Amino acid sequence: DAGVIQSPRHEVTEMGQEVTLRCKPISGHNSLFWYRQTMMRGLELLIYFNNNVPIDDSGMPEDRFSAKMPNASFSTLKIQPSEPRDSAVYFCASSPSGGSGNTIYFGEGSWLTVV
Amino acid sequence: GQQLNQSPQSMFIQEGEDVSMNCTSSSIFNTWLWYKQDPGEGPVLLIALYKAGELTSNGRLTAQFGITRKDSFLNISASIPSDVGIYFCAGSSSNTGKLIFGQGTTLQVKP
Repeated sequence: DAGVIQSPRHEVTEMGQEVTLRCKPISGHNSLFWYRQTMMRGLELLIYFNNNVPIDDSGMPEDRFSAKMPNASFSTLKIQPSEPRDSAVYFCASSPSGGSGNTIYFGEGSWLTVV
Repeated sequence: GQQLNQSPQSMFIQEGEDVSMNCTSSSIFNTWLWYKQDPGEGPVLLIALYKAGELTSNGRLTAQFGITRKDSFLNISASIPSDVGIYFCAGSSSNTGKLIFGQGTTLQVKP
């Protein structure tokens, strides 16, 4: 079975440029999460969706960050304009509904470097 | 807000030794999860715990959901070199799937 699929795996971009990260959750999963991982702050939840609806975006750092989930099989995380401090690994994760709804499965991450 | 304290921060052990790490929470959780992250990869789920007092094994790994619902531990028996990585605990106090992660325990195993 395919896991959570993220793209790109690696991106290097210049400060000020727009960055779009993409995610395809596991088929049938109702919840989707975007996490950011840095050495200093560890794993931070940015936003999560339930049935394509954003439920909690309190972790989104600032207005430069936005996330969308137009359908059950696709989500994007956009940073515009990007800054060097946005350099991190961005993980997408998904979770099924029901009794195991709290078990989330991660993608392999998008490694972002802003220079 | 909710906080998870994971310890130890790092461990350097000899192959064959047993390993123990734990997490404590400032509030009650109804789910505890343990993940392992290899370099360059995303966290992979090892064990999921849903009930206070629950003790679950997965091969050489054993994890328990504390009866106070504020703590959990993970034990690895007879460690091997491929156990190297970062281990994260994660907890949730709701049914929405929103998880709080610990800071991670970095494990190194000397052959």
